[in-house]
Amino acid sequence: DTGVSQDPRHKITKRGQNVTFRCDPISEHNRLYWYRQTLGQGPEFLTYFQNEAQLEKSRLLSDRFSAERPKGSFSTLEIQRTEQGDSAMYLCASSQEGWRASNGYTFGSGTRLTVV
Amino acid sequence: AQKITQTQPGMFVQEKEAVTLDCTYDTSDQSYGLFWYKQPSSGEMIFLIYQGSYDEQNATEGRYSLNFQKARKSANLVISASQLGDSAMYFCAMREGQDSGYALNFGKGTSLLVTP
Repeated sequence: DTGVSQDPRHKITKRGQNVTFRCDPISEHNRLYWYRQTLGQGPEFLTYFQNEAQLEKSRLLSDRFSAERPKGSFSTLEIQRTEQGDSAMYLCASSQEGWRASNGYTFGSGTRLTVV
Repeated sequence: AQKITQTQPGMFVQEKEAVTLDCTYDTSDQSYGLFWYKQPSSGEMIFLIYQGSYDEQNATEGRYSLNFQKARKSANLVISASQLGDSAMYFCAMREGQDSGYALNFGKGTSLLVTP
């Protein structure tokens, strides 16, 4: 297993366009998390899935943000009608229920979004 | 609600010296977990060390150790024998509760620069 993969690594889009990011977690991990990281800040939790169920989504930043994990494997994060304030790094992480702290969360390298 | 505070925006250390990165936290939970992550310029979050609130001994992982002072609510990271490759952002984080699937709550981070 090569870890958590995120695609694309970089995305430049015009304001008002929709964008979608993909995350492929470690295959045996049933939990998947999305975070947003703006410049000079730590990652901020957005939402998480346990298998295909999205169990927490109240912290998605607005109704323009949505996420799916249709078969409990990969996940997508979509931002509709992008705004310049959406420019940030979007990080995905996965973990296994009953994790051990020493290897509890594995992060991807992130997708850097720039809205122009 | 939890809060993680990292008061050092940037730190310098000379190669082979030790450095301490500060982290204080606030939580009403009796059981909690604290993490340190390293984020190089490539963007991925690399797990360094974990401390459980009931762990009797301070955690150590190679050149990393955690100076855990529960009464003072501090969990400082000590890096011994700094190397040039240690230059990166360092984040302190606390595990949230079950409602968010035990997602991580991060501080703002400290930028560490190791000089020759």
